[in-house]
Amino acid sequence: GEDVEQSLFLSVREGDSSVINCTYTDSSSTYLYWYKQEPGAGLQLLTYIFSNMDMKQDQRLTVLLNKKDKHLSLRIADTQTGDSAIYFCAVGEGGATNKLIFGTGTLLAVQP
Amino acid sequence: NAGVTQTPKFQVLKTGQSMTLQCAQDMNHEYMSWYRQDPGMGLRLIHYSVGAGITDQGEVPNGYNVSRSTTEDFPLRLLSAAPSQTSVYFCASRPQGARATGELFFGEGSRLTVL
Repeated sequence: GEDVEQSLFLSVREGDSSVINCTYTDSSSTYLYWYKQEPGAGLQLLTYIFSNMDMKQDQRLTVLLNKKDKHLSLRIADTQTGDSAIYFCAVGEGGATNKLIFGTGTLLAVQP
Repeated sequence: NAGVTQTPKFQVLKTGQSMTLQCAQDMNHEYMSWYRQDPGMGLRLIHYSVGAGITDQGEVPNGYNVSRSTTEDFPLRLLSAAPSQTSVYFCASRPQGARATGELFFGEGSRLTVL
């Protein structure tokens, strides 16, 4: 089955850029997602990218997709303390979205 | 608009007890799913449903049952709870078919402890 890997922890200073990385194994994934989980809450969709795109920018967020290396990254510009949360990448297994496989999650800690 | 509502938010069980986690959504979403979240393991899909009367297994279905008698409700049943089922459980839904971008709408979670 699909395997999605992320580093567990990232610490940055307020105002710096954060880059959260994700690798996956299933090259047929059509959609790739980034979700954010704040403490004590469920997950919320941050952004997603279609597999035929290399990059997507949405305000402070930039998603880069390298299909050859099966690597997805999320860059947060001008990181704020309110960005402190767990970030999950997710891909649809077998190119479908009925089985969304999540990574292990990266805890982003923003130091003031 | 309530979105996805899960009950209870917290539950403590003894090994061998049974219980049902409730999930309801008021967005007329065809697709509903259950995930469990464990430290260092992310979210793992337990069961999902693409419509009333239709359910299918995810990555970790053993020890859990589901049914989908209405569009709104998707309960998760633990038949005989085990300590390995201590976790935080999330219900999520989304529109199916042409309306679907794949975005899942999550409930706030149910924290279950099995002693």
